[in-house]
Amino acid sequence: DSGVTQTPKHLITATGQRVTLRCSPRSGDLSVYWYQQSLDQGLQFLIQYYNGEERAKGNILERFSAQQFPDLHSELNLSSLELGDSALYFCASSQGPQETQYFGPGTRLLVL
Amino acid sequence: DQQVKQNSPSLSVQEGRISILNCDYTNSMFDYFLWYKKYPAEGPTFLISISSIKDKNEDGRFTVFLNKSAKHLSLHIVPSQPGDSAVYFCAASVVTSYDKVIFGPGTSLSVIP
Repeated sequence: DSGVTQTPKHLITATGQRVTLRCSPRSGDLSVYWYQQSLDQGLQFLIQYYNGEERAKGNILERFSAQQFPDLHSELNLSSLELGDSALYFCASSQGPQETQYFGPGTRLLVL
Repeated sequence: DQQVKQNSPSLSVQEGRISILNCDYTNSMFDYFLWYKKYPAEGPTFLISISSIKDKNEDGRFTVFLNKSAKHLSLHIVPSQPGDSAVYFCAASVVTSYDKVIFGPGTSLSVIP
């Protein structure tokens, strides 16, 4: 158990819909990262927050957005969902930038 | 453009033998490298890392070797155990660019009893 929690574990929705994935980092960790893992793909870095502020952006689509709240939990919002958005979405946390990242168990999203 | 490559999607090794997982990178700015292990239905778990100022880092049965001139690193597992069966991700970052870590596609290791 890494100490990072993600909800929900599984999510099935339809194209065009909007979903919110939630992540609670390890106690004391200020950095939160979001990754997408599609079928047969490696982990694609989406976005990073540090203490509430966006720190780095990766291959995140404009239809996707994220935020980190004052209690340090983070949400990833995916809108206008397409079939190709079906993937595993991982959240990771670390004490700060450049520290080892600890991953949550992931949310499996299926868009039908 | 894949900056971190793991050209072997899968690898099978007999229990007790050495497992060697390879990783190549293209960005010469990368100066910190990590290996993560992932079991099914779990998130990746940090395994071992190496800074570009070193060419070898060892932790128990796991050793990572870095060849900067070849832009190549490898993870050696000796001896391999059935519990090592997992997907292994190589990752790289530029420390000064905060920690935007680039992951490779992973290599699935099967250790056969």
